[in-house]
Amino acid sequence: DAKTTQPTSMDCAEGRAANLPCNHSTISGNEYVYWYRQIHSQGPQYIIHGLKNNETNEMASLIITEDRKSSTLILPHATLRDTAVYYCIVRAPHINYGGSQGNLIFGKGTKLSVKP
Amino acid sequence: SAVISQKPSRDICQRGTSLTIQCQVDSQVTMMFWYRQQPGQSLTLIATANQGSEATYESGFVIDKFPISRPNLTFSTLTVSNMSPEDSSIYLCSVERGEFNTEAFFGQGTRLTVV
Repeated sequence: DAKTTQPTSMDCAEGRAANLPCNHSTISGNEYVYWYRQIHSQGPQYIIHGLKNNETNEMASLIITEDRKSSTLILPHATLRDTAVYYCIVRAPHINYGGSQGNLIFGKGTKLSVKP
Repeated sequence: SAVISQKPSRDICQRGTSLTIQCQVDSQVTMMFWYRQQPGQSLTLIATANQGSEATYESGFVIDKFPISRPNLTFSTLTVSNMSPEDSSIYLCSVERGEFNTEAFFGQGTRLTVV
């Protein structure tokens, strides 16, 4: 079973920031938080990941609470093309680095609808 | 990044037949996976494709139904055997380099309809 909880759906106005929450209260010390998204009829696309510090890349920002029990993915200026299902996943590093196999376990995700 | 080519992109098959899906990566990768996404559902991991050895299957999936091959570090196949309408799904190939703290890349999927 997925180790995360996300809202089923969210709406966001085009051009505004989209803030997608994720709860992972049972996260272990060596587990990372990953975000992927799946645009309709396409394979999932990697967005960002982090351990405990906030992370930012060209797509999004990831804010992880100090206790690491929850996180928020921020799309700073949402566009219509950001409409997708967003998956929050926790996983351990690869087995060669002291973690588990680290398989991705997908939950149901959040369906984000960006509206004009 | 890794570019993944999956073939076929879609197919309509008769029940009782088998379909083999191919996954080709543009570079060598350590880890290859096969997922299933049933209509309106999330992704479920079928198995990890191991080079030169038998695949590792997740609970609920068996080799007789979903035989997997991985002859080298850039190619894998998944066969859906003795198909029934319940096998109608999108099947996705995923790869990872197996290095520390890296992301997974996914193919565009094979949309299978069994009639």
